Amino acid sequence: SQELEQSPQSLIVQEGKNLTINCTSSKTLYGLYWYKQKYGEGLIFLMMLQKGGEEKSHEKITAKLDEKKQQSSLHITASQPSHAGIYLCGADIRQTGANNLFFGTGTRLTVIP
Amino acid sequence: NAGVTQTPKFRILKIGQSMTLQCTQDMNHNYMYWYRQDPGMGLKLIYYSVGAGITDKGEVPNGYNVSRSTTEDFPLRLELAAPSQTSVYFCASGGGRGRRNTGELFFGEGSRLTVL
Repeated sequence: SQELEQSPQSLIVQEGKNLTINCTSSKTLYGLYWYKQKYGEGLIFLMMLQKGGEEKSHEKITAKLDEKKQQSSLHITASQPSHAGIYLCGADIRQTGANNLFFGTGTRLTVIP
Repeated sequence: NAGVTQTPKFRILKIGQSMTLQCTQDMNHNYMYWYRQDPGMGLKLIYYSVGAGITDKGEVPNGYNVSRSTTEDFPLRLELAAPSQTSVYFCASGGGRGRRNTGELFFGEGSRLTVL
C-alpha cells in the first residue's frame, strides 16, 4: 500500500551474510508487525513492536522501531537457507491495533547455500 | 492444533458466478479477518470481525460479504465474481480484548481464486 513502503523489494544473499530489510510508513506508527511468508503458505508472525525505540529479537532475527522516523528495520544475522521467504511488515496507523493493518508489498529473500 | 483452516485451496470461477470461501479457527479467538493478496501489492483488508455477530468493512469490501454467526467461522461470500477478484485470499484470527486487538494474527494457508 502507499502508506507503507518496504525496501529492498528483493534480496539475494550468500549463506552466513547479514542483511537488513526496511519498512517506512508515511503516517504515524502505533504498532508494527513483522511476518514471514513462504511460497504458497500463509503468514507466520515474527514480532510486534509498539513503542518507539523498542527492539526485539528472536533467534537470529532482530527488529527495531524508530517512531520518529516512522520506520522499522528487520535485521538477520548469519543468514541461513531457512530464512528464505517473503518478509512483510504490517502497520497500525489508525490506532485500531491489529484490526486494520496496512501491509507493505514484501521483501523476497533468497539465501544461497 | 489445526489453527486457521481455509477451504477451498484453489477455485476457478466464471464471471458472474457466486461462491463462499470458508474459514474456521479452533483457538477461540474473538478477532477474525479476510485479506486479499495481489501480486506485488501486499495484503489488503476486506472485512474483519471483533466477535460473533459483529463485522466491519476493511479497505476493499466492495463485491464481498461476510457473516460471523459463531466464534469459529467467518465465511467470505462473493456474489457476482469479476476478473478483478482474481487473487489469493487469506483468513486470519487473533486473540486480544475489547475492540482493539493488539496481538499477533494467525493466518490460514490461503485460497487461490481465479475468475475467467
